Amino acid sequence: EDKVVQSPLSLVVHEGDTVTLNCSYEVTNFRSLLWYKQEKKAPTFLFMLTSSGIEKKSGRLSSILDKKELFSILNITATQTGDSAIYLCAVPDTQGGSEKLVFGKGTKLTVNP
Amino acid sequence: EAQVTQNPRYLITVTGKKLTVTCSQNMNHEYMSWYRQDPGLGLRQIYYSMNVEVTDKGDVPEGYKVSRKEKRNFPLILESPSPNQTSLYFCASSRVNSYEQYFGPGTRLTVT
Repeated sequence: EDKVVQSPLSLVVHEGDTVTLNCSYEVTNFRSLLWYKQEKKAPTFLFMLTSSGIEKKSGRLSSILDKKELFSILNITATQTGDSAIYLCAVPDTQGGSEKLVFGKGTKLTVNP
Repeated sequence: EAQVTQNPRYLITVTGKKLTVTCSQNMNHEYMSWYRQDPGLGLRQIYYSMNVEVTDKGDVPEGYKVSRKEKRNFPLILESPSPNQTSLYFCASSRVNSYEQYFGPGTRLTVT
């Protein structure tokens, strides 16, 4: 069973729309949740969230974590074609002393002009 | 410039021919990791290393080996590649307990 589940798997919007991407997780000993953006190349880091209810913001992107309900959302306002990418959510799985990093399958966002 | 480098970037090989993909980082990071990315399956961790001589399995370690003899290098070894190892491979590094991973440019491997 997947420990990190992202939804939707793909999304097509028009420039200027606002989108919300979802990430739910199921790990013991939660430490943090991370968001990455992957355009044509390697993933690049966006946010790391450790505390519930505190919004992280960078320009038109923002993210918030709900540790009680075990999910996070990534919001993008006033989308631009340059926001087209795969957005990945990841959570460290530290069960049994492990330091694995588990990624969701990603949400492919397409922003049309 | 802070970076993670991988070589080769593209590789086509045949079943059973041993190969090594190199990974090097210049940020003095303790944590290094290898991932493979496949359509519909996302990014999956193969192996990771917390420091020199400390390696551990990720979620899909079968058919792969790694070593960490120096802090900056973390090569991925496929002793006997098979077609199901055809994939896009990423190396990444971070400070330990940070998880803010810096990714290499990727290696596209095709095994025929």
